[in-house]
Amino acid sequence: EVQLVESGGGLVQPGRSLKLSCAASGFTFSNYYMAWVRQAPKKGLEWVATISTSGSRTYYPDSVKGRFTISRDNAKSSLYLQMNSLKSEDTATYYCARQGSYLSPMDAWGQGASVTVSS
Amino acid sequence: DIQMTQSPASLSASLGETVSIECLASEGISNDLAWYQQKSGKSPQLLIYAASRLQDGVPSRFSGSGSGTRYSLKISGMQPEDEADYFCQQSYKYPRTFGGGTKLELK
Repeated sequence: EVQLVESGGGLVQPGRSLKLSCAASGFTFSNYYMAWVRQAPKKGLEWVATISTSGSRTYYPDSVKGRFTISRDNAKSSLYLQMNSLKSEDTATYYCARQGSYLSPMDAWGQGASVTVSS
Repeated sequence: DIQMTQSPASLSASLGETVSIECLASEGISNDLAWYQQKSGKSPQLLIYAASRLQDGVPSRFSGSGSGTRYSLKISGMQPEDEADYFCQQSYKYPRTFGGGTKLELK
């Protein structure tokens, strides 16, 4: 069974940093692109980042480019999201998602990690 | 960026009723369109990809269609467990963009 388990969420002050982790199991992690998608309270879904199978290529929307960094450790079947210079508008539930390839949809999702940016 | 406009924002359907949700892309996306279902308090789940292909395990009452810029999700016979939010997403190019969502409730 495919499992994605996020951790590392919490309350953080504006301008500070936070790192999310996602532990994957039930599939060959190194064969899949992976992504982060967020959802602000009572709002829709927003794609945040995607990383290639080897980690050599990363993709971001303008809203987080230069502040967020996606990375992976295939040996540990783990995905990460380093979030710097956090803003109140980054407050959301962050989902780790499996993405088959460069343009595939997200076919498996974690339960989400809540991030609140507030003073 | 490709804008995805979803409609309606909300709707209410009776048990057994057929429901349709529309998604309009700001440019052609060559059937690279996915639909997700998100039940209250849960994470999204992939329903349909490539505009019309049913994800494994998804009931056959769900179907997708469309081409070019216009796509739709149809539920043929509303069931209580279909009460959820539904989102479309284009997988044609980056940045990946979602529709604003449709809240479907059982009447």
